[in-house]
Amino acid sequence: GQNIDQPTEMTATEGAIVQINCTYQTSGFNGLFWYQQHAGEAPTFLSYNVLDGLEEKGRFSSFLSRSKGYSYLLLKELQMKDSASYLCAPRPAGGYNKLIFGAGTRLAVHP
Amino acid sequence: EAQVTQNPRYLITVTGKKLTVTCSQNMNHEYMSWYRQDPGLGLRQIYYSMNVEVTDKGDVPEGYKVSRKEKRNFPLILESPSPNQTSLYFCASSLKTGGLYGYTFGSGTRLTVV
Repeated sequence: GQNIDQPTEMTATEGAIVQINCTYQTSGFNGLFWYQQHAGEAPTFLSYNVLDGLEEKGRFSSFLSRSKGYSYLLLKELQMKDSASYLCAPRPAGGYNKLIFGAGTRLAVHP
Repeated sequence: EAQVTQNPRYLITVTGKKLTVTCSQNMNHEYMSWYRQDPGLGLRQIYYSMNVEVTDKGDVPEGYKVSRKEKRNFPLILESPSPNQTSLYFCASSLKTGGLYGYTFGSGTRLTVV
């Protein structure tokens, strides 16, 4: 089967660093996406990993280990506006562009 | 501006009254998909379309229909809505399969069936 596991909720302090972990099991693997979703709004693209290692993009970085079925999203210099849900979405192998979404991690940033 | 447009944003309807949620994209994307989002369950795929006149079921297709007569439009049809279809719905599109082609999402439609 296909399964994604992320923590349900996390809290952090403004200016700090937080790491959101994701473990996944899919039918084959063809990349992993992270999306940010503010309450009631559409998810927006944050990062994409297809090879092992770290991808850095400003304050956000994403790491992938394909052999472990593991990824994390690292958020640095947290700001209040980073309070949102973060969705881990691996893409199984196959002929179409289906993403499997986890339930997401709700991050609350406090002053 | 490149975008996916969904309408309506909010809809309250009664059980059994047919409704259509429209989705249109202006990016010439081949792939389009409908998801529903429920608390604690994440985004679940309802239907998807690889191209014009090519559609297929996702993980939770029961009670829904779709059509893809034009590349830009992918409406979601609920022939006889029921209260368990109360949810937040998102339409998404992408250029094609594979690679760094994640989804662009519409703003969402919050549907309540009473």
